[in-house]
Amino acid sequence: EVQLVQSGTEIKKPGESLKISCQGSGYTFSRYWIGWVRQMPGKGLEWMGIIFPGDADTRYSPSFQGQVTISVDESINTAYLQWNGLKASDTAMYYCARSPGPADDLTYWGQGTQVTVSS
Amino acid sequence: QSVLTQPPSVSGTPGQTVTISCTGSRSNIGAGYEVHWYQQLPGTAPKLLMYNSATRASGVPHRFSGSKSGASASLAITGLQAEDEATYHCQSHDTSLSGWVFGGGTKVTVL
Repeated sequence: EVQLVQSGTEIKKPGESLKISCQGSGYTFSRYWIGWVRQMPGKGLEWMGIIFPGDADTRYSPSFQGQVTISVDESINTAYLQWNGLKASDTAMYYCARSPGPADDLTYWGQGTQVTVSS
Repeated sequence: QSVLTQPPSVSGTPGQTVTISCTGSRSNIGAGYEVHWYQQLPGTAPKLLMYNSATRASGVPHRFSGSKSGASASLAITGLQAEDEATYHCQSHDTSLSGWVFGGGTKVTVL
């Protein structure tokens, strides 16, 4: 069974750093893209970026380029989303999702990681 | 403002048919990229409902159907049921953004 398990809820202060994770299981991790999607409170879904674990090919949405870093550790089947210098506007639910490719569907989703940034 | 445009809400009584539209442009749906639909129940992660415009994901009831024409797509729920109350999101690929684009989501209410 394909599963994406994300790290737990985070409560941070503005300016702090954060790295959240997404661990895949039940499939060959290196063969599928992992994307990150933001959902702000009461809003729709926004694509942040995508990474191919097999060669770490990474692409960012122009809206998030320079704001976050996406990485992967293939040895533990885990993808990461990282911030240096959180802002209150980063408060949102973040989902990882598995996809066959950058132009394809998001077949499987993680359960989401809630990030709250507040002083 | 989302790249793909969906109505914020639609509603219907049990048994009715409701349709959700998803309008894009020449850089995404109109360029021939497929449209995918997700169902998000309250407080849960989105789940793939329909892929490649008209193919139901595994386990999805036949009352859900999808279509695409030109730069638009639509999702229909025939024989609406109480358990269909959720938010539905469309998604495609955009050449100018080189990645995924989403609609703003449509909340379906069963009256």
